[in-house]
Amino acid sequence: AQSVAQPEDQVNVAEGNPLTVKCTYSVSGNPYLFWYVQYPNRGLQFLLKYITGDNLVKGSYGFEAEFNKSQTSFHLKKPSALVSDSALYFCAVRSYNTDKLIFGTGTRLQVFP
Amino acid sequence: ETGVTQTPRHLVMGMTNKKSLKCEQHLGHNAMYWYKQSAKKPLELMFVYSLEERVENNSVPSRFSPECPNSSHLFLHLHTLQPEDSALYLCASSQHRGENTEAFFGQGTRLTVV
Repeated sequence: AQSVAQPEDQVNVAEGNPLTVKCTYSVSGNPYLFWYVQYPNRGLQFLLKYITGDNLVKGSYGFEAEFNKSQTSFHLKKPSALVSDSALYFCAVRSYNTDKLIFGTGTRLQVFP
Repeated sequence: ETGVTQTPRHLVMGMTNKKSLKCEQHLGHNAMYWYKQSAKKPLELMFVYSLEERVENNSVPSRFSPECPNSSHLFLHLHTLQPEDSALYLCASSQHRGENTEAFFGQGTRLTVV
């Protein structure tokens, strides 16, 4: 069965500092991994994905994520946080041979000025 | 604008009403999804349609009935709902297979059952 864990309900970081939002996954076979962001009263916006190839993937708004197969992790990172990055972040996984896209419980990122 | 449009944006309905949520995408995708987002369970996968066939029904009560008449449209028919069904209902679409399988989401329908 597929599953995603986001161990932190909330992450607080000061503006200008680096940020990390954690995600671990469980899936049969090769995983397709995704990060999404949700602003208040909006749907989810796609940030980045890992399908194959380079373990470090870059996405929108300066975000990046590193795929670590041995640790089954796909942590989201940004070198310098902005107040406007404050939002709800979701990690998602699907197996390469299914259409079932499973999300984690979400992590609220709060960036303080 | 993600290319996925949901209507209505807000819906208030009584427990005896029948209503439908609509989702439309013009991205050329061939898989569509319904998710329920509430405070208690942030993102629950409800239904998946792939190539217009239902491939996933995640133990959803029968008072929710999906319909996918073609690859561009997805409906969620609602009847005799309960107050605990109040939530944000999100529709998404993606490619069925391949590397470009990221899902694109609509803005959601905020449903309140009274």
